[in-house]
Amino acid sequence: ELKVEQNPLFLSMQEGKNYTIYCNYSTTSDRLYWYRQDPGKSLESLFVLLSNGAVKQEGRLMASLDTKARLSTLHITAAVHDLSATYFCADPGEGGSEKLVFGKGTKLTVNP
Amino acid sequence: GAGVSQSPSNKVTEKGKDVELRCDPISGHTALYWYRQSLGQGLEFLIYFQGNSAPDKSGLPSDRFSAERTGGSVSTLTIQRTQQEDSAVYLCASSLRGRAHEQYFGPGTRLTVT
Repeated sequence: ELKVEQNPLFLSMQEGKNYTIYCNYSTTSDRLYWYRQDPGKSLESLFVLLSNGAVKQEGRLMASLDTKARLSTLHITAAVHDLSATYFCADPGEGGSEKLVFGKGTKLTVNP
Repeated sequence: GAGVSQSPSNKVTEKGKDVELRCDPISGHTALYWYRQSLGQGLEFLIYFQGNSAPDKSGLPSDRFSAERTGGSVSTLTIQRTQQEDSAVYLCASSLRGRAHEQYFGPGTRLTVT
């Protein structure tokens, strides 16, 4: 059974703090994707990690992929309120499958 | 250009009724996906269309669910004899062929079965 596990599922943090969201997946996929969802909105692509060791950064967010450990991380640096949203990781599975298996999401709240 | 559009944005229906949800993908995108987002289950893959190939229906939860894609563009997801557990947000996404990592999601249809 394909599994994607995110933790934590809920994260409340203060502005200015750092934190990491973890995404463990069960397949031998060499790629992993991150999405952001604001309340009542659809999903927005954040990062596309296409190989082992891939690291991508945008603003205060940095994502990395370790395919040997089947782990991706989303690191938040000096959080700001605008980052409050739900973050999902998604595994396309093996063999370049087109089907995405999503984690349950991490609901991030950044408090002033 | 226009993104993925879905209609209706909200649908309230009585248990036992049939519903149809529509998705208009981005022009030129040959791949189209349906997902369901519910409180208990998170985001689940339902069905995938690629061009004229047979769709991958492996995620459909029961035979009450079906989908079609006419002319390689617009898709309709049909749920027959709706049940309360069908209440969820149904998301459609589209991408270019072989670019599943660049799926663009629509705003979703919130279905409530009373």
